[in-house]
Amino acid sequence: SQKIEQNSEALNIQEGKTATLTCNYTNYSPAYLQWYRQDPGRGPVFLLLIRENEKEKRKERLKVTFDTTLKQSLFHITASQPADSATYLCVLETGANNLFFGTGTRLTVIP
Amino acid sequence: NAGVTQTPKFQVLKTGQSMTLQCAQDMNHEYMSWYRQDPGMGLRLIHYSVGAGITDQGEVPNGYNVSRSTTEDFPLRLLSAAPSQTSVYFCASSYKPGPYEQYFGPGTRLTVT
Repeated sequence: SQKIEQNSEALNIQEGKTATLTCNYTNYSPAYLQWYRQDPGRGPVFLLLIRENEKEKRKERLKVTFDTTLKQSLFHITASQPADSATYLCVLETGANNLFFGTGTRLTVIP
Repeated sequence: NAGVTQTPKFQVLKTGQSMTLQCAQDMNHEYMSWYRQDPGMGLRLIHYSVGAGITDQGEVPNGYNVSRSTTEDFPLRLLSAAPSQTSVYFCASSYKPGPYEQYFGPGTRLTVT
């Protein structure tokens, strides 16, 4: 069965530093992968999508990489701000119109 | 655009009761889906629809029914509520199935006693 591991449940980082979140997966070869942000009591919000033939994608201070050999995606937030504090979800497409969500990493940016 | 709306925001049910969670989107999206989110677990897909009149099961469909009579609406029915269905439920939509952004509703927090 599919398995997604996000590096840790919680990550604390100092404001201004780069936050790096890891998503590892097994038993599948997704055609694309997505990252979402979720704030407490709210639904997830889409951030980035990267396809299997893309190594890297950027959007403002966000960068995601996708290594299909390692079965890993890295999500970076540069110049982190307290407003970036949230839970970040890694999502794999698994074919047949299904998406599988990781349990998320709760990021706290300390002023 | 209102995006994806869900009602109610909170609901308490007794075991055995039935109810319908409402979901609507005004973006003319083909694909709609229902997820449940439990502590320590990722969102899990309950049912999805790729268009009006077409529905299919996700990872955890037991105890739930759906229908898609219009493009806009995708209600989720709990047939006979059980405490194991206590969860937060999210509805989502996207332009089509596939590599497209999912738009999520605000969620419904359901407690079954």
